[in-house]
Order: sequence, then structure tokens, then C-alpha cells
Amino acid sequence: EAQVTQNPRYLITVTGKKLTVTCSQNMNHEYMSWYRQDPGLGLRQIYYSMNVEVTDKGDVPEGYKVSRKEKRNFPLILESPSPNQTSLYFCASSSLQGANEKLFFGSGTQLSVL
Amino acid sequence: QKEVEQNSGPLSVPEGAIASLNCTYSDRGSQSFFWYRQYSGKSPELIMFIYSNGDKEDGRFTAQLNKASQYVSLLIRDSQPSDSATYLCAVSASGGSYIPTFGRGTSLIVHP
Repeated sequence: EAQVTQNPRYLITVTGKKLTVTCSQNMNHEYMSWYRQDPGLGLRQIYYSMNVEVTDKGDVPEGYKVSRKEKRNFPLILESPSPNQTSLYFCASSSLQGANEKLFFGSGTQLSVL
Repeated sequence: QKEVEQNSGPLSVPEGAIASLNCTYSDRGSQSFFWYRQYSGKSPELIMFIYSNGDKEDGRFTAQLNKASQYVSLLIRDSQPSDSATYLCAVSASGGSYIPTFGRGTSLIVHP
């Protein structure tokens, strides 16, 4: 089954404690992306990757890191989380071979930073 | 900065009515337009996409595109309470990357 697997589903942590949210896709997609979603603000792109070792900043990259060492995996790293990073996070992937290609989303990670 | 604008709502319609959701975009070269439905706390799921001017129908859903006016809409006929969700408009980028830009979404409430 084609899917984007994102873990964990829920995460509660404290300020400054490094954490990683994992994202893996089994569709051999080149494009992967991280979004955060806050009430009234829609989906805001954090980072994206067009292929292995190719990453770029989205609209709200501050406080986040990513890596793309393998095509299937695109982890999101918060090295020193702060309360303003409390949010719902989504990973997504697509082939983006053409303009009609849709995004496949993970199930989301609800992060609370205390 | 490419922009996609949606009225945040909420849009409240009675059961059985037509719900009309609208979206405008700034990138005149955009080729494809997507509507995703998102239930609270869940991930977005694609319900329609359109790339040609005019209407595209799929069951109770109709997407309408007017590239000259840079306007795309989603009509939901015979609205049901299960249609209550946030609807996200996404527009693929021009220039070959196709990376989508999302609007903030419109909250739809269908009341019995």
C-alpha cells in the first residue's frame, strides 16, 4: 500500500530537549516536504527536498533542520524546541513529475513543547 | 511570493444545500489546481484537481477554473453533515518545479 509513515503521532516534550520526527515513504517519490499547521494559518511549509541530498527552506524554517540521506526518509529535527513550535506537523511526498501530481500526506504529529 | 487566498469562514450551509468555496491565486503561470479536504486533526486528502478552464464534475463535487480571472472554486451539491471539514485550495507552481502553494483553508459547516 502506498503510504507516508510519520512517527510519532503525539509528542510532548520540554523546552530545549532535542527531538526528531520521522517520515518515510514507499512510493519512490523525489519530492518530500514538511508542513506545520496552526489554527487560522493553514499549512505552512518548513523545508522541502527535491531529491537525495537536496533540501531547501520553505516559509518558516527557523528552529528546524532536515536531512535527506536516503530517498525514502526525510526526518524533521528540532534541536532546541521552544513552546512556539507547539503545532500539528505533516510530512508529504509526491513524484512531482508533472503539474497534476498530488501530495500524499502522513497522518500527522501533534507536538506540544512545555 | 506566490499567494493563494481563501475566505477562512466558517461557511455554514443547511443540509441538502449547495456549498460554494472560492480560491484566488497570484501566479498567472500556474497549471494545476487542487482541492483537499481535511477533517479536524487529520491529514488532508485530495478530492478534486483541475487544469483546464471550465468545470470538472465528480459525483457531488464540481471544480470550476477561470484562469483569466485567476479564480478556482469548489461546489458541493446536496451537502451532508459529513462534508463538514476544512477545504484547502492548492496551486502548483509554474516554472517546472510544480511545488504546490496552499491557501489557509475554508471551514465548512453543514448543519442538519
